Amino acid sequence: KQEVTQIPAALSVPEGENLVLNCSFTDSAIYNLQWFRQDPGKGLTSLLLIQSSQREQTSGRLNASLDKSSGRSTLYIAASQPGDSATYLCAVPISSNTGKLIFGQGTTLQVKP
Amino acid sequence: GAVVSQHPSRVICKSGTSVKIECRSLDFQATTMFWYRQFPKQSLMLMATSNEGSKATYEQGVEKDKFLINHASLTLSTLTVTSAHPEDSSFYICSAKRETQYFGPGTRLLVL
Repeated sequence: KQEVTQIPAALSVPEGENLVLNCSFTDSAIYNLQWFRQDPGKGLTSLLLIQSSQREQTSGRLNASLDKSSGRSTLYIAASQPGDSATYLCAVPISSNTGKLIFGQGTTLQVKP
Repeated sequence: GAVVSQHPSRVICKSGTSVKIECRSLDFQATTMFWYRQFPKQSLMLMATSNEGSKATYEQGVEKDKFLINHASLTLSTLTVTSAHPEDSSFYICSAKRETQYFGPGTRLLVL
């Protein structure tokens, strides 16, 4: 049974720092991995989707990497800003064609001005 | 990007009443939608898969008679929490599947 874990659960950094969020999964036979952002009391916004054949994806100040063999993904945020404060969730699909996602517990990030 | 809406965004009800939550894909047709539940400071847990024109499939431990799902059209799925109790208070989020999943803004349910 696939399990997704995110460490740390919470992170507080001063503005401008580069930071890394971690996501690990127990079954390396994943089809893709997705990172989401969730603001308090809001829905999810997709940040990056990495296919199983890819090693990384970049969007602006965000870079997500994927190492299937070790069951890990990282989300790198460069030059963090207070507006980056949110909960970041990673998720993997249960199978290739159902669309069902298994989510990690999330990392709540606070970027202090 | 694709837009998914939910209505209402927030609802407070008395114990024993039923509450209906709507999930709409605004600019695309979705044969499959998903319903998730999120408790405070916890992650999303998949409740059920809503299939247009057929019965929903529920995850283990989710009571189908408690959480009624109807996917009557390609743009609308509804989740009805029947005979709601305080323990049903939670944040309910839907998603609609196209090339990827697009999530709604969520519905906060508080049962008194």
